Amino acid sequence: QSVLTQPPSASGTPGQRVTISCSGSSSNIGISYVYWYQQLPGTAPKLLIYKTDQRPSGVPDRFSGSRSGTSASLAISGLRSEDEAHYYCSTWDDRLSGVIFGGGTKLTVV
Amino acid sequence: EVQLLESGGGLVQPGGSLTLSCAASGFTFNFYAMYWVRQAPGKGLEWIAGIGGSGGTIHYADSVKGRFTISRDNPKNTLHLEMNSLRADDTAVYYCARGYYYDSRAFDYWGQGTLVTVS
Repeated sequence: QSVLTQPPSASGTPGQRVTISCSGSSSNIGISYVYWYQQLPGTAPKLLIYKTDQRPSGVPDRFSGSRSGTSASLAISGLRSEDEAHYYCSTWDDRLSGVIFGGGTKLTVV
Repeated sequence: EVQLLESGGGLVQPGGSLTLSCAASGFTFNFYAMYWVRQAPGKGLEWIAGIGGSGGTIHYADSVKGRFTISRDNPKNTLHLEMNSLRADDTAVYYCARGYYYDSRAFDYWGQGTLVTVS
């Protein structure tokens, strides 16, 4: 059972906007930056979002992050078939003194 | 080009030990925090340990505390993970990852992973 809760699955059609949620608590998302990773099948994860809403160089602006209270969201606009992957949220937990991950959300582009 | 190359994985019996290494290149190694993250077969990501650039700050997940030791050899640009008292639930692909320069708790480069099987 992950400390951060994500829906196990999400889906959308090409061109659509989808949102993936990540629910935490006052010891993690409520006080720390949130990170998002994309993991394509058989590959290592890729950093999509850091400092809750910042994109590293090279990440398309179709990907955006936000936070409200103890929950965070990743939004993907203009959905493409190559966006089909697992997405993980992550943050620092002050009570655990460590980095934590959500359980992951499998995004399907139908 | 930043590269992280893990090695040392393999099959080990329960209770046994294994040491993983991660050879880093393409960046100034001692400027960056480094981490180990694992992924059990078909499961999600689990952070297990992190170490600051100088090696002075170290954190462990509760699941490995007291059994695993993270260390780094900055002159050799290498990260290590010594794993003792291994259990079946330690079976996973182990990734080394670099802390992002602008936010060290974000992992901007990952290795390809090395599989550890405890059986």
